[in-house]
Amino acid sequence: SQKIEQNSEALNIQEGKTATLTCNYTNYSPAYLQWYRQDPGRGPVFLLLIRENEKEKRKERLKVTFDTTLKQSLFHITASQPADSATYLCALVKSGSARQLTFGSGTQLTVLP
Amino acid sequence: DGGITQSPKYLFRKEGQNVTLSCEQNLNHDAMYWYRQDPGQGLRLIYYSQIVNDFQKGDIAEGYSVSREKKESFPLTVTSAQKNPTAFYLCASSTGLAGAADEQFFGPGTRLTVL
Repeated sequence: SQKIEQNSEALNIQEGKTATLTCNYTNYSPAYLQWYRQDPGRGPVFLLLIRENEKEKRKERLKVTFDTTLKQSLFHITASQPADSATYLCALVKSGSARQLTFGSGTQLTVLP
Repeated sequence: DGGITQSPKYLFRKEGQNVTLSCEQNLNHDAMYWYRQDPGQGLRLIYYSQIVNDFQKGDIAEGYSVSREKKESFPLTVTSAQKNPTAFYLCASSTGLAGAADEQFFGPGTRLTVL
């Protein structure tokens, strides 16, 4: 069956360091992968999208990589700040559907001052 | 301001009652979605609609119903047949353009508690 796993439920890092979050998937051939940020009690907010033919995408302090051989995406936040503390979700396009996303369970990131 | 609104923010229901959650968008998006989120879990798709008067079941549609009579509105009814309805419900929309890697825009959510 299709499965998405995010590396850990919670990740704590010191302010200023780089946070690296992992999204692994099995039995998918996704055309693209998306990352969202979710704050407690709120809806997710879209951050970045990377396509299967792209190795890396950047937006300000964010960087996403996509390795279709390893079936893995890495999400990096450089120079992390306490305001980056949130849950980060990866999402893949479900096989056979152009727009139906399947979400991972998320990684809760806490940046310590 | 363009966006998605959901109401109410908190909803309490007695067992055996149907309840309808509202979702409205003014983004002129064709596609709309309903997700359910349980603590520590990702979002699970309940229903989605790619165009007015058409909708499809997602992964966990049992015990739920929807309608899409207007482009901007996609209400979700949680029926008494839903065995464990207490959850955080999220509505989303996207442009729905064919071939587009649509980002989804989410509403603020409705937290439903069954008493």
